[in-house]
Formats: sequence, structure tokens, C-alpha cells
Amino acid sequence: EAEVAQSPRYKITEKSQAVAFWCDPISGHATLYWYRQILGQGPELLVQFQDESVVDDSQLPKDRFSAERLKGVDSTLKIQPAELGDSAMYLCASSWDRSGEQFFGPGTRLTVL
Amino acid sequence: KNEVEQSPQNLTAQEGEFITINCSYSVGISALHWLQQHPGGGIVSLFMLSSGKKKHGRLIATINIQEKHSSLHITASHPRDSAVYICAVSRGNTGNQFYFGTGTSLTVIP
Repeated sequence: EAEVAQSPRYKITEKSQAVAFWCDPISGHATLYWYRQILGQGPELLVQFQDESVVDDSQLPKDRFSAERLKGVDSTLKIQPAELGDSAMYLCASSWDRSGEQFFGPGTRLTVL
Repeated sequence: KNEVEQSPQNLTAQEGEFITINCSYSVGISALHWLQQHPGGGIVSLFMLSSGKKKHGRLIATINIQEKHSSLHITASHPRDSAVYICAVSRGNTGNQFYFGTGTSLTVIP
């Protein structure tokens, strides 16, 4: 069964360092989402792509976060510099289109020391 | 105020019990989703519904559009059902953005 892949699964870094997360959506899925989930809370959307274009990045802290999906397939989310408050689970999801069911990856758990 | 509210926040049940988790929302939606998140973080979609009722194995999800309320029921609960159950709504007007509840942490004791 096709799955959304994410790497790394776990990342520990010191504050002020740069980190990057990778997501490979299910083949053929045009829409890709990055979510951040702080412990004890529901996920919140950081950025949504439709193919290679950003559809919604209103909640993305653009001073330190960036995301790209250059060829409209896999995507990278970067944080530079990381801050203590960035410790969270970063989830990637994909769907066939904007109205389709979302399929989630296993997530990357980030710990900033 | 969160657009999606869930109750209870935490739930402990004995194996075999019938479990109900409730979700209320305050915005217009195109669909409501029930998601399951196990320790370790991965999220699995259980149901996507816009009306009525859906059943999958021991899980049943219902939605009342007029009352803006949904319930997730688990019959004959089992310890492997222990997880966080998250209600989310998609609005469809901004590219299927999800609004998530904070989740219900379920523990089923053998």
C-alpha cells in the first residue's frame, strides 16, 4: 500500500542550528501539506502546496521557516535558526487534490536543546 | 476559541466497553474526519464523512450537520484501540485546509 514517507523520524538539534525535513507524498498526489503538532495539541497547518505552488502559508513563520516543492513531488521544510519552541512533531500529508482525503506520514519529531 | 472541540480529553475504559467520543464544530464544513494517532506520532484516517453514518469493523462514526456534531463509537473496545483520536473538519474553501480538535486520549485496560 502506498504511503507518505518522511525523514528523519527523529531529530535532535541545538538552538540556532539549521534543520531540514523531507517528505515524499503518495505518487500522483498533487496536494501536499506540512503540519506542526505540539505535544498535547492538534496539528496546525504550516504550508500547503498544490503541485509546486504554495496555496497557503499564512501560518508559516517566514522569518525562520521555509518550504519548497520544486518539482511538485517531494518537499523539504527547513528551519533556520531553530528555537526551543520549535520542538514538536512535524507531519506531512498528501491528497489527490484539494478536496480529497489526506494521508499522513509518520512524522518527524524535533527536539531543540 | 477553537473551531473544533472534542470531549472528553482523556478516557479510560475496560476492555469490552462501548466507547463514545464527541466532536462539535462551529464553522461550515465540507467534510468531517476522524483520525487515529498512536504513540510515535503517525496519523491514520479512520473516516471522512459529510452526512449520516459510516461503519468500519468495530468503529462507527455519525454526523449531524444541523447540530454541527459528530460522534465516534468503538464497540467491544480492545487495548489495541488505545490511541489519540482526533476530530478534524475540512472547509473546502481554502484548498481543503483542516481544522483539528485537540484529540481524545483513549486508554483501554485489559
